[in-house]
Amino acid sequence: GESVGLHLPTLSVQEGDNSIINCAYSNSASDYFIWYKQESGKGPQFIIDIRSNMDKRQGQRVTVLLNKTVKHLSLQIAATQPGDSAVYFCAENLNSGGSNYKLTFGKGTLLTVNP
Amino acid sequence: DAGVIQSPRHEVTEMGQEVTLRCKPISGHNSLFWYRQTMMRGLELLIYFNNNVPIDDSGMPEDRFSAKMPNASFSTLKIQPSEPRDSAVYFCASSSRIRISGANVLTFGAGSRLTVL
Repeated sequence: GESVGLHLPTLSVQEGDNSIINCAYSNSASDYFIWYKQESGKGPQFIIDIRSNMDKRQGQRVTVLLNKTVKHLSLQIAATQPGDSAVYFCAENLNSGGSNYKLTFGKGTLLTVNP
Repeated sequence: DAGVIQSPRHEVTEMGQEVTLRCKPISGHNSLFWYRQTMMRGLELLIYFNNNVPIDDSGMPEDRFSAKMPNASFSTLKIQPSEPRDSAVYFCASSSRIRISGANVLTFGAGSRLTVL
């Protein structure tokens, strides 16, 4: 079902600290999970994706962890910088059948980095 | 590459007026999406085109909404007549599904913020 979200979950960190943003997904059949970053006044921007047969993937300063047992996804940002301040969305992608174009987006988490 | 280009960036109109939002996808991308973003409902898929053909319009709220893609480099989303509840940010996104496998990674435009008074 659809949840009513008047307030985004928020995470406030100090510059230089590591950030962990969490996401619970709903479809255990999803093949890919994608993280997007949306800065104020801009569209969502792709960060990193992970296939469902993996449990960890690393990028530049970011790591995504996937726990399929509890349907949980996390994005870790190392040495968080002020430019990382944004809303972060996870999205599920079912890459089979006729609906492989569909992304189901989470509600998002607002990350604020304090200098 | 200029990315996905949307216009206008901001639109303020009165209830009952026609609104047309425009999108130029990334050259070579064969999939185009229109999304709507509100605080209450988050990002919602309105319509999906593949090779200029509408594949899924199940997210279009009602008959007041229509979308076209006359060629590979241009799409419009039209609302007629507009209502205050249509106020939102409308995003166009494109992707290239060259491979059958792989995540559907979308490139979003900057969005069109619509305010209907």
